[in-house]
Amino acid sequence: EAEVAQSPRYKITEKSQAVAFWCDPISGHATLYWYRQILGQGPELLVQFQDESVVDDSQLPKDRFSAERLKGVDSTLKIQPAELGDSAMYLCASSLSDLPTYEQYFGPGTRLTVT
Amino acid sequence: QKEVEQDPGPLSVPEGAIVSLNCTYSNSAFQYFMWYRQYSRKGPELLMYTYSSGNKEDGRFTAQVDKSSKYISLFIRDSQPSDSATYLCAMSAKGGSEKLVFGKGTKLTVNP
Repeated sequence: EAEVAQSPRYKITEKSQAVAFWCDPISGHATLYWYRQILGQGPELLVQFQDESVVDDSQLPKDRFSAERLKGVDSTLKIQPAELGDSAMYLCASSLSDLPTYEQYFGPGTRLTVT
Repeated sequence: QKEVEQDPGPLSVPEGAIVSLNCTYSNSAFQYFMWYRQYSRKGPELLMYTYSSGNKEDGRFTAQVDKSSKYISLFIRDSQPSDSATYLCAMSAKGGSEKLVFGKGTKLTVNP
């Protein structure tokens, strides 16, 4: 069964350092999402890509976060500099572009701890 | 007021019990209603979705939507220890690229 791959699974970094997360969506899925899930909360959308284009990045803190999906396949989310409040699970999801929003498949996430 | 409210629990029940999980919402534009299950240290997985009002059943799971009350429910019959997880409700205003709005999740433990 095809799955969304994410790496690393866990990351510990110090405040003010740079950190990057990688996501490989299910093959053929044109839409890719990055979510942040703070402990005890539901996921919140950070950025949505359709192929290589950003569809929605209204909740992405652009002063420190950046995301790219250069060839419309895998994607990288970067934080620079990391802050204590960035500690959270970062989830990647993908879907076929012509299906309703609910048909999103989530990866296992990257758990980030900022010390 | 958050768009989607969900009691975080935790909820602890004995094996075989009927579980009721609920969410309320404030945005009357929501039309798609989803329930996700999230095991510890894993990503959410879609359990069920419902469009507009009504009921939907899938095995031991039943989803209900009452748009007039802005209230949705997930019922689990004959609950099993393997049902122990966090259950997240999610909603969107329309299909296509409309983003999902999630509740906080309810942590459920089913005791053998």
